[in-house]
Amino acid sequence: GQNIDQPTEMTATEGAIVQINCTYQTSGFNGLFWYQQHAGEAPTFLSYNVLDGLEEKGRFSSFLSRSKGYSYLLLKELQMKDSASYLCASMDSNYQLIWGAGTKLIIKP
Amino acid sequence: GAVVSQHPSRVICKSGTSVKIECRSLDFQATTMFWYRQFPKQSLMLMATSNEGSKATYEQGVEKDKFLINHASLTLSTLTVTSAHPEDSSFYICSARDGASRETQYFGPGTRLLVL
Repeated sequence: GQNIDQPTEMTATEGAIVQINCTYQTSGFNGLFWYQQHAGEAPTFLSYNVLDGLEEKGRFSSFLSRSKGYSYLLLKELQMKDSASYLCASMDSNYQLIWGAGTKLIIKP
Repeated sequence: GAVVSQHPSRVICKSGTSVKIECRSLDFQATTMFWYRQFPKQSLMLMATSNEGSKATYEQGVEKDKFLINHASLTLSTLTVTSAHPEDSSFYICSARDGASRETQYFGPGTRLLVL
């Protein structure tokens, strides 16, 4: 079956670093996506990895290991506005996104 | 970047009425559009996938006669919730795939439906 696992909730301190992990099992693989979703809003695209390795984009970086079915999203220099849910999604062989349940990130001052 | 709009952004209706939600891709041709539903504190749940000019493909457990989807053009898809009931109250989000890039989906801002 298809499955995406990520922690339900994480807490971090403003200015710190946090890593949100995601493991996936899908029928075929066409990439791993991370989205940010603030309460009451639609998801916004953060990153896309299809090859192994680390992709850095400002304060946010995303890592992928296809052999391990594993990805993480790394957020540096945390700001209060980073409080949101972070959704991991794997694209299967039909180019359909399989979504994780999301990780609620709480940033404390 | 590409933009997807949804209308209305918020709707309140009485139980038993039908509600239509529009999803438009504003600056690209969307060969495929996806309709999601999200209940509070839960993740996105794919309801159906619609391809322009053909019937939508519904996910298991989603009633196609209750959630009517029409994708009549490359820039417009509509979701009609027929005979809405309070349990249909949710956040409905569409996304559109650019025909030129199968990996890319752009999300609309969502429609919050409240059925009284």
